[in-house]
Amino acid sequence: NAGVTQTPKFQVLKTGQSMTLQCAQDMNHNSMYWYRQDPGMGLRLIYYSASEGTTDKGEVPNGYNVSRLNKREFSLRLESAAPSQTSVYFCASSEAGTSSYNEQFFGPGTRLTVL
Amino acid sequence: GDSVTQMEGPVTLSEEAFLTINCTYTATGYPSLFWYVQYPGEGLQLLLKATKADDKGSNKGFEATYRKETTSFHLEKGSVQVSDSAVYFCALSERIGAGNMLTFGGGTRLMVKP
Repeated sequence: NAGVTQTPKFQVLKTGQSMTLQCAQDMNHNSMYWYRQDPGMGLRLIYYSASEGTTDKGEVPNGYNVSRLNKREFSLRLESAAPSQTSVYFCASSEAGTSSYNEQFFGPGTRLTVL
Repeated sequence: GDSVTQMEGPVTLSEEAFLTINCTYTATGYPSLFWYVQYPGEGLQLLLKATKADDKGSNKGFEATYRKETTSFHLEKGSVQVSDSAVYFCALSERIGAGNMLTFGGGTRLMVKP
């Protein structure tokens, strides 16, 4: 099992460019999440998908869109990148999201720099 | 909303020293509590968790007890190793809509010297 995989690993964009971060999990999990990690701030939730076919905003959704393509894949899109979106992005997945003690499994992250 | 506060780092210790990383939380309900660890260049891995008051989570020599009366979940290890050098995140799980969100503290970097 690969767990949670993310592509690309690194990306540099110019202000105004767009890109899509890809995430896939092979654990048959229902719920998937996108977080961003900024120095000294821990991780903050951008969007989540509690189950296939649903997506909802998290704490910091502005400037992002998501697509739950199928049960395995959950992508994050930046339509017009801004320097404030320079961050490390983590995808995570967990079993059905109704239980608060379900562990979330994290991917290795995508380091994005916007110039 | 809910929040998590943990001690700022870096924490620098010698090998075999005792480790404590403080974590306190504010929550309206009864969240589950977690410690995650992030090794350099990697994603987060669950270290341990506790789902109700007085529960003790433990793994790889690390322990943390869910203290509802002090709203705390401090991480401890009796004898650290160089391989424990990493960033440690305290987190709580709260319900949002149909799912759950992890709220993280800012992270504490631990450096263990031989």
